Amino acid sequence: DIVLTQSPASLAVSLGQRATISCTASDSIDTYANSFMHWYQQKPGQPPKLLIYRASNLESGIPARFSGSGSRTDFTLTINPVEADDVATYYCQQSNEDPYTFGGGTKLEIK
Amino acid sequence: QVQLQQSGPQLVRPGASVKISCKASGYSFTNYWMHWVKQRPGQGLEWIGMIDPSDSETKLDQKFKDKATLTVDKSSNTAYMQLNSPTSEDSAVYYCARKTDYWGQGTTLTVSS
Repeated sequence: DIVLTQSPASLAVSLGQRATISCTASDSIDTYANSFMHWYQQKPGQPPKLLIYRASNLESGIPARFSGSGSRTDFTLTINPVEADDVATYYCQQSNEDPYTFGGGTKLEIK
Repeated sequence: QVQLQQSGPQLVRPGASVKISCKASGYSFTNYWMHWVKQRPGQGLEWIGMIDPSDSETKLDQKFKDKATLTVDKSSNTAYMQLNSPTSEDSAVYYCARKTDYWGQGTTLTVSS
């Protein structure tokens, strides 16, 4: 199984600053030049919301403050600038091979 | 618009199988795999497995092979997950999701005597 390691586990960022979350895969999740890494935001009591699909594609309706990058085993979610509404837990997930594993999550707070 | 409507919260006795439903609307049900995800209180997301509604092909995480059974009813555009012999470790919120993009609201399962 592919293990996804997210860091940091928690993050405190000032309003208007940049937040960077990393996700490292135990094996490459690239196939045919596509990286099957996705990023979600989850707020308490709500289902996860897709932010970024296939590493760098912004889901419809998601603000351009969110961006994703990376390939093979190393991926990053960036939020810039951070707003108060971004307080949530963020998860990465790979869908290159089953089981489609999730990272452990990163909790974002406002400093 | 795409919607996934899940069944309501359930309280079950340990060992009594339980079935959660996920009714899809707003898209062609057989065109997308349906995924199931578990989230224990205060914990992260766990991928359980997925089912192709067109032919019921199923892929399950090994961890859930004896625990979860995935089925679909194409006539009603509904996916089901049955949890076998539940224990307190199965108390969680369970989500269905269309691939990565649309998620149900979640079903809270409590296993208690």
